[in-house]
Amino acid sequence: EDQVTQSPEALRLQEGESSSLNCSYTVSGLRGLFWYRQDPGKGPEFLFTLYSAGEEKEKERLKATLTKKESFLHITAPKPEDSATYLCAVQTNAGNNRKLIWGLGTSLAVNP
Amino acid sequence: DAGVIQSPRHEVTEMGQEVTLRCKPISGHDYLFWYRQTMMRGLELLIYFNNNVPIDDSGMPEDRFSAKMPNASFSTLKIQPSEPRDSAVYFCASSLLRSRAAQHFGDGTRLSIL
Repeated sequence: EDQVTQSPEALRLQEGESSSLNCSYTVSGLRGLFWYRQDPGKGPEFLFTLYSAGEEKEKERLKATLTKKESFLHITAPKPEDSATYLCAVQTNAGNNRKLIWGLGTSLAVNP
Repeated sequence: DAGVIQSPRHEVTEMGQEVTLRCKPISGHDYLFWYRQTMMRGLELLIYFNNNVPIDDSGMPEDRFSAKMPNASFSTLKIQPSEPRDSAVYFCASSLLRSRAAQHFGDGTRLSIL
């Protein structure tokens, strides 16, 4: 069964304390892996798409990487405004499938 | 550019009442998705449309749920009759045609069924 697992469930960092969030997946074939950020009371906001193992994408203090079994979202020198829930989702290769399989997210709190 | 627009933002109603949620996708997007989000189950896909045609409704929990897309700029999700276990945040998202296009979300409707 296709599955996406995110860890940790929650993470509390001090401002400037770098860390990584993990998204591990078990799918029959990967078409793409998506990272989103969700703020309270808002919809998920798209951050990155990764397509193949070894690929990396960067945006400000965030860098996403991908292997054949997992993806990491590295947060370098985070600021309080990086506090949010980070969601990972996987699209499989099945046909013209547009479904995304979602993880439950990592809730990140960055203290000033 | 305007993003995905959902209405209402909040809905509180009594069990048994009909609920209609509305969505306007991003102009030019070919796909529209309806999701439900709860703490326990996270984001669950209910149904998605391509060019106004329903493609996969396997996530619709019961016959009480129905969705329509009468044109490219409007979709509704209806629950009739509503039950307390339907309480959740409902999101609409849209995406472009290309196969790996990211989905872009509205800010959701927080639904409470008393």
